Amino acid sequence: QKEVEQDPGPLSVPEGAIVSLNCTYSNSAFQYFMWYRQYSRKGPELLMYTYSSGNKEDGRFTAQVDKSSKYISLFIRDSQPSDSATYLCAMSTGGKSTFGDGTTLTVKP
Amino acid sequence: GAVVSQHPSRVICKSGTSVKIECRSLDFQATTMFWYRQFPKQSLMLMATSNEGSKATYEQGVEKDKFLINHASLTLSTLTVTSAHPEDSSFYICSAVAGTSGSGEQFFGPGTRLTVL
Repeated sequence: QKEVEQDPGPLSVPEGAIVSLNCTYSNSAFQYFMWYRQYSRKGPELLMYTYSSGNKEDGRFTAQVDKSSKYISLFIRDSQPSDSATYLCAMSTGGKSTFGDGTTLTVKP
Repeated sequence: GAVVSQHPSRVICKSGTSVKIECRSLDFQATTMFWYRQFPKQSLMLMATSNEGSKATYEQGVEKDKFLINHASLTLSTLTVTSAHPEDSSFYICSAVAGTSGSGEQFFGPGTRLTVL
């Protein structure tokens, strides 16, 4: 069993939709929870970073962590075509990160 | 924000040759850098942890004699793929951890696409 499982997708939504991306994990030692966005042929870029249960909001993005259920989510409100990318969840402990397999999102105009 | 560069961005080489990839933190010092490999439509797989001034720590299944890592300064780590074969063709991505604790935020490089003919 993988330490981090991510909903595989792909996901295709109309512009303006609310998008929900989800990951579960099994290692309770994970301390930090991240979401990265990766465009084709590029390195990942950090979107959200949190270390506690609850919600963290940044513009149209909300990261949600539930440590008791070992479940994290990323919500994108008012999705835009420019949000089309692969989204990777990642969790870390001791400075080492473990990534989910990614969910490819396409937002259609 | 912090910037990490990689060079080259793309390399094509013949089977049996060696390829060196550089990872630099441009505006911060990084005691720890990580090297990842990403195959098409797959996630990043950690290959090794590179620590300045000491030997790299390799993940299980990664051959340390094939993937040579050198972290000679606080801003530069290099990955050398020795005797490359077509199955080594992949997207290699480094990340650098800001600060000297080794557990701060990771900043990723843009990646190097290696194609071995």
